[in-house]
Amino acid sequence: DGGITQSPKYLFRKEGQNVTLSCEQNLNHDAMYWYRQDPGQGLRLIYYSQIVNDFQKGDIAEGYSVSREKKESFPLTVTSAQKNPTAFYLCASSIGGQGSQPQHFGDGTRLSIL
Amino acid sequence: AQSVSQHNHHVILSEAASLELGCNYSYGGTVNLFWYVQYPGQHLQLLLKYFSGDPLVKGIKGFEAEFIKSKFSFNLRKPSVQWSDTAEYFCALVYSSASKIIFGSGTRLSIRP
Repeated sequence: DGGITQSPKYLFRKEGQNVTLSCEQNLNHDAMYWYRQDPGQGLRLIYYSQIVNDFQKGDIAEGYSVSREKKESFPLTVTSAQKNPTAFYLCASSIGGQGSQPQHFGDGTRLSIL
Repeated sequence: AQSVSQHNHHVILSEAASLELGCNYSYGGTVNLFWYVQYPGQHLQLLLKYFSGDPLVKGIKGFEAEFIKSKFSFNLRKPSVQWSDTAEYFCALVYSSASKIIFGSGTRLSIRP
């Protein structure tokens, strides 16, 4: 079955440490997205990529970085500069990058700070 | 700023009650509208979408939504809810001039059996 795989499901980070969240899709979608979900705030866009080797900042990109070296992969690094990283992170993809196509979502990664 | 508002943060209903969840957006340009649902322990999935045409759209599991351009609204409705409808519901939109989706803050729906 095609879909989006996020790993790990749970991740713990120590203060001052960078961590990378994995997102892989086998849907052959061009566009991929990272969102952060906090209680009562819905989904906020961190970064998105409409094509390989290209990505744009979303609404809350500070303290995060991404890469898009392959069409099927869009890893997110939460850096030590992100002051409040504890959250649920969702990866998504869509056929086109114009936002008009419905997005498919992964199961998420819950990041906690030790 | 472009935004999506869901004013009901938590709605509690009994089974068989009718449901209406509000969704309003801030800008009057051409929009595509979506409702997503997140059941407990599951990933977000598309419930229904509106791109153009008939403003009353029907989605999965008996849900429907009506786009009212004059009110900048896209409310979600279901005539008779079931316990299995317990979930969080997100309204989302994309403006034709933009390339990213904007999500509302979500409404948690709890159904009493």
